[in-house]
Amino acid sequence: KNQVEQSPQSLIILEGKNCTLQCNYTVSPFSNLRWYKQDTGRGPVSLTIMTFSENTKSNGRYTATLDADTKQSSLHITASQLSDSASYICVVRRGVGNNDMRFGAGTRLTVKP
Amino acid sequence: EADIYQTPRYLVIGTGKKITLECSQTMGHDKMYWYQQDPGMELHLIHYSYGVNSTEKGDLSSESTVSRIRTEHFPLTLESARPSHTSQYLCASSSPEMTGYTFGSGTRLTVV
Repeated sequence: KNQVEQSPQSLIILEGKNCTLQCNYTVSPFSNLRWYKQDTGRGPVSLTIMTFSENTKSNGRYTATLDADTKQSSLHITASQLSDSASYICVVRRGVGNNDMRFGAGTRLTVKP
Repeated sequence: EADIYQTPRYLVIGTGKKITLECSQTMGHDKMYWYQQDPGMELHLIHYSYGVNSTEKGDLSSESTVSRIRTEHFPLTLESARPSHTSQYLCASSSPEMTGYTFGSGTRLTVV
């Protein structure tokens, strides 16, 4: 079982609508959590990074939340655009002083006009 | 502009061929990684390097090999490609200060 579970697996929304993507993890010890956006045929690009003490972090229309107690994170996209169509990957770094990263399978978001 | 480059972007080859996927970064990062990604699945670490002449196998068993002769260069080689090697291969790098990766654009490999 993957230590980082994302839901939904895929999502279709209309342009201009908001959406929220979920990430639940069991990775321990927790170091930080990143959300990446991966366009089709491209490598992932970091959107936000959150450490244990951070609850919310925004990057433009993207807002990530973290509840370290329940080990849950969400990525909220406001006023979606066609260019938001991509896979969104949750990555949890395990431990400190290393690069032990655990990847979710991603949520495939499609924004339609 | 990307600081980590992968070539080729797409490759279709026949079974049994030897191929090398190139990865170069201009950021001076010590740590570099190769990941394999199948559609709808999470990335799996196949190789990593923490510096020149340092290479290690990752979590996912792979028939590929890597080398790290120069800091900026981390090529991945398949001696004899098979259809089961069909996948997307992503190269990444990080520095000690970074808490995450910079990824390349990937190589989409198809073995026929």
